[in-house]
Amino acid sequence: EVQLLESGGGLVQPGGSLRLSCAASGFTFTSYSMCWVRQAPGKGLEWVSGISGNGGTIYYADSVKARFTISRDSSKNTLYLQMNSLRAEDTAVYYCAKGTTVTTGSAFDMWGQGTMVTVSS
Amino acid sequence: DIQMTQSPSTLSASVGDRVTITCRASQSISSWLAWYQQKPGKAPKLLIYKASSLESGVPSRFSGSGSGTEFTLTISSLQPDDFATYYCQQYNSYPRTFGQGTKVEVK
Repeated sequence: EVQLLESGGGLVQPGGSLRLSCAASGFTFTSYSMCWVRQAPGKGLEWVSGISGNGGTIYYADSVKARFTISRDSSKNTLYLQMNSLRAEDTAVYYCAKGTTVTTGSAFDMWGQGTMVTVSS
Repeated sequence: DIQMTQSPSTLSASVGDRVTITCRASQSISSWLAWYQQKPGKAPKLLIYKASSLESGVPSRFSGSGSGTEFTLTISSLQPDDFATYYCQQYNSYPRTFGQGTKVEVK
């Protein structure tokens, strides 16, 4: 069974940092692209970042570029999102999601349950 | 960035109704469009990919159509489990963008 389990969310002060993790199981991790999508309270979905199966291709939304870093560790079957210089507007539920191809050009067929990030003083 | 605009934002319907949601892209995205269903407190679920391909396990009452800039999601006969919010998403170019969502509520 394909499973994605996020962790690492929590309360952080503005300007602080947090690292989210997404543990994957039930599929060959390196054969699929992965991404992070967030959802602010009561709002819609916002794509944050995507990474190809081998980690060689990475994209970011302009709203997080230069502050967030996506990465993946194939030895641990885990996707990461390092978030620095956090702002109040980064407050959201963060979902990791699996692509349907090794490249980043696909829909997302499996999602984790989400982890809440709250940026507040 | 490609803007995705859904209509309507809210749709009131009854069980058994035929429901249609429209998604328009600000420029052509060929058929690189997905539809997701999201229920409160839950992660989105993929329904349709490549504009009209039904994801495995999704009931056949869901269908998608369109190409270029105009797309539709149709639920042929609304069931109690279908009351939810629906999002379209383009994956033609970066950044990936979602529509603002359409909430299907009980009439």
